[in-house]
Amino acid sequence: AQSVTQLGSHVSVSEGALVLLRCNYSSSVPPYLFWYVQYPNQGLQLLLKYTTGATLVKGINGFEAEFKKSETSFHLTKPSAHMSDAAEYFCAVSDSRGGTSYGKLTFGQGTILTVHP
Amino acid sequence: DGGITQSPKYLFRKEGQNVTLSCEQNLNHDAMYWYRQDPGQGLRLIYYSQIVNDFQKGDIAEGYSVSREKKESFPLTVTSAQKNPTAFYLCASSIRKGQGGYNEQFFGPGTRLTVL
Repeated sequence: AQSVTQLGSHVSVSEGALVLLRCNYSSSVPPYLFWYVQYPNQGLQLLLKYTTGATLVKGINGFEAEFKKSETSFHLTKPSAHMSDAAEYFCAVSDSRGGTSYGKLTFGQGTILTVHP
Repeated sequence: DGGITQSPKYLFRKEGQNVTLSCEQNLNHDAMYWYRQDPGQGLRLIYYSQIVNDFQKGDIAEGYSVSREKKESFPLTVTSAQKNPTAFYLCASSIRKGQGGYNEQFFGPGTRLTVL
């Protein structure tokens, strides 16, 4: 069984400050990992993903995340927050390896990011 | 433009009525998914389908039903048996890669259902 834990349901930063959103996962198979962003009353938009290869992945809007197998973590960072980054962020793990998978995603509870001027 | 459409954006129904939420994709994706989102609970999987005329229950299928008669369509019916149907419903799709894996899921804009 897979699970995802996002530490902190709310994170508040000042504009220009570092953004760090934490995600830890458990998976019985090598995972595919994703970060999605959701603006109010909208669907989810993919920020970035890790499947194989380089463990530091870069995404849209200046975000990046590092897959650390030893720590079972996939934390999301951005060096300098912008007001437009205010949204809810979801970490997800997939069982997408292997011929019998259906690409099911297990989501964390979400972290609401607030950016102060 | 390719994408996923969900209609309507907002839906109001009286308690005890069945209601069907539409999801259409023109991405030629193989798999489609329905999620329910409640505040503070993330997204929970209701049903998913890999191929036409086949679907599987997710984690919270009770009180819901689906069909997959066409590759591009995956409607969700919220039945009167669903105890607490008021929620935000999201449809997603993904494409099958080689050797059985799947790429990331793409999401529609969602339908907010309110049962009065």
